[in-house]
Amino acid sequence: NAGVTQTPKFRVLKTGQSMTLLCAQDMNHEYMYWYRQDPGMGLRLIHYSVGEGTTAKGEVPDGYNVSRLKKQNFLLGLESAAPSQTSVYFCASSYGTTGIPGNTIYFGEGSWLTVV
Amino acid sequence: GNSVTQMEGPVTLSEEAFLTINCTYTATGYPSLFWYVQYPGEGLQLLLKATKADDKGSNKGFEATYRKETTSFHLEKGSVQVSDSAVYFCALKSRSNDYKLSFGAGTTVTVRA
Repeated sequence: NAGVTQTPKFRVLKTGQSMTLLCAQDMNHEYMYWYRQDPGMGLRLIHYSVGEGTTAKGEVPDGYNVSRLKKQNFLLGLESAAPSQTSVYFCASSYGTTGIPGNTIYFGEGSWLTVV
Repeated sequence: GNSVTQMEGPVTLSEEAFLTINCTYTATGYPSLFWYVQYPGEGLQLLLKATKADDKGSNKGFEATYRKETTSFHLEKGSVQVSDSAVYFCALKSRSNDYKLSFGAGTTVTVRA
């Protein structure tokens, strides 16, 4: 049972470089999310997708882009990395049926990104 | 908007001690409430959840009761083990925006043998 898989797990970037984080889920979930985790701030939603071909902004979208070309994949891109983007990034997914209370969101293991 | 406030850590306990982590929330309507746990070097895992007032979520010896009157969802465990050392996050999801989890800042718990 793979669940939600993120690659890479660790990466060091220089300021101004670009990179893409890949998220894959094998649970046939409609919704997918990218969060960032920073000390003392919990997790904050960057972007999310409610289905293949759709994307939407979350709480902290600036400096990031996303794409959902296939239902099982959700890519997070940094076009020009900045030190403020040093963080742990978590991908997540869930079933998309609106209105089901307690609809569980499943998380990947995280990607540690350092921008120097 | 929705928000979650957790007690600040870190919390350090001895094995077999009683653990309580306070969580209060602000939300419109009737949100669903969750506790997630993050073990060192790992992602978040759902620990327990409750979807309506007075529901009690429980798992691995942990419990939390959805208290609408006090807008709280405190996490408790009667006898902690070293393996319970982790970061615990309280979170809520409203029914109107079911795509989005709002997280508390997290509470780091360390259990000493």
